[in-house]
Amino acid sequence: NAGVTQTPKFQVLKTGQSMTLQCAQDMNHEYMSWYRQDPGMGLRLIHYSVGAGITDQGEVPNGYNVSRSTTEDFPLRLLSAAPSQTSVYFCASSIQGARPETQYFGPGTRLLVL
Amino acid sequence: AQSVAQPEDQVNVAEGNPLTVKCTYSVSGNPYLFWYVQYPNRGLQFLLKYITGDNLVKGSYGFEAEFNKSQTSFHLKKPSALVSDSALYFCAVRGYNNNDMRFGAGTRLTVKP
Repeated sequence: NAGVTQTPKFQVLKTGQSMTLQCAQDMNHEYMSWYRQDPGMGLRLIHYSVGAGITDQGEVPNGYNVSRSTTEDFPLRLLSAAPSQTSVYFCASSIQGARPETQYFGPGTRLLVL
Repeated sequence: AQSVAQPEDQVNVAEGNPLTVKCTYSVSGNPYLFWYVQYPNRGLQFLLKYITGDNLVKGSYGFEAEFNKSQTSFHLKKPSALVSDSALYFCAVRGYNNNDMRFGAGTRLTVKP
């Protein structure tokens, strides 16, 4: 299993540009999520999904869109990038059971918005 | 919403000494608590979790954590630190039937030879 994969590893954007961060997992996990990591603030949940066709907002959803058309993929879209979105983005997945399960994290995407 | 506090930005210990990384939490109902570790330029890796049962939880790489309900704490411990334990450690909490996981700001552990 490849686990959780993310592309690209690094991206530079100009303010106002749009882009999609890709996330895929091959573990048949129902739950997938996106976090951003900023110095001194830990990881903050952006959006999550408990299965194909179901998404919900986390702690910091503004400026980001997600969709979940398949179990495997959970892309994160920045519609109009802003410097405040400069961060490291992590995708994670887990089994969606009766109790919270361990999450598996991807290697991250480092985004710089100029 | 639930929250986690890691009161120490940095913890320094000598190799071979015991280490403790502190975590306190706030959540409605029963908490589900996790510890993750992050090495440079890597994603987070799971160390251990408390769901229910024994208050002392044993995890990967010799780490353990003690759940204390009265103090709302979930401190990470290891009896004898290794230089290779140096990394960024995150505590996280998730409420029952709540898919929103909250992480602490992280504690950087440095183990010196």
